[in-house]
Amino acid sequence: GNSVTQMEGPVTLSEEAFLTINCTYTATGYPSLFWYVQYPGEGLQLLLKATKADDKGSNKGFEATYRKETTSFHLEKGSVQVSDSAVYFCALSDKEDGGAQKLVFGQGTRLTINP
Amino acid sequence: NAGVTQTPKFQVLKTGQSMTLQCAQDMNHEYMSWYRQDPGMGLRLIHYSVGAGITDQGEVPNGYNVSRSTTEDFPLRLLSAAPSQTSVYFCASGFRSQETQYFGPGTRLLVL
Repeated sequence: GNSVTQMEGPVTLSEEAFLTINCTYTATGYPSLFWYVQYPGEGLQLLLKATKADDKGSNKGFEATYRKETTSFHLEKGSVQVSDSAVYFCALSDKEDGGAQKLVFGQGTRLTINP
Repeated sequence: NAGVTQTPKFQVLKTGQSMTLQCAQDMNHEYMSWYRQDPGMGLRLIHYSVGAGITDQGEVPNGYNVSRSTTEDFPLRLLSAAPSQTSVYFCASGFRSQETQYFGPGTRLLVL
């Protein structure tokens, strides 16, 4: 079945450092790929998405490119801020006939940014 | 719009007790789903619904029941709680024509 694997956390960086969180996936079809973010005490929010190969999703300075050849969707940001501290989830959508859109999540990566 | 709302925020149960986790959305979304979040395992799909009167099982449905009598509401029922059901539960919703889903704030459940 479909699956998502994220780099192990937690990740701790200093403010203004470069961030990469690795994500690879296994899928039988052509899924859409997502990054969701969970701030402390809150639910998940969509950060960015890409729906086909070579698409780049971007939002709030974060970027990720859908790489079909390496089955990857790595999250990057050039200069992180303390406010970026959160748990980041990579996910894919397993869209079935009839419109059901089941998300398959990675295990999450906790990111802490120190001032 | 209130978005996706969940009640309660936190609940403690004893083994064998039953309860219902409430989820409601005011965005007229056809698709609703329940996930559980456990440390190191990400979120796993419990049940989902593509519209009123239609429900189906996800990856980890055992011990949970759902129903969808209205577009707005999608309650999750635990018939006989077990310690293995200690988790954080998230409800999500979205349009069937779009892939973006919107998550509620979660319900933290502790089963003793």
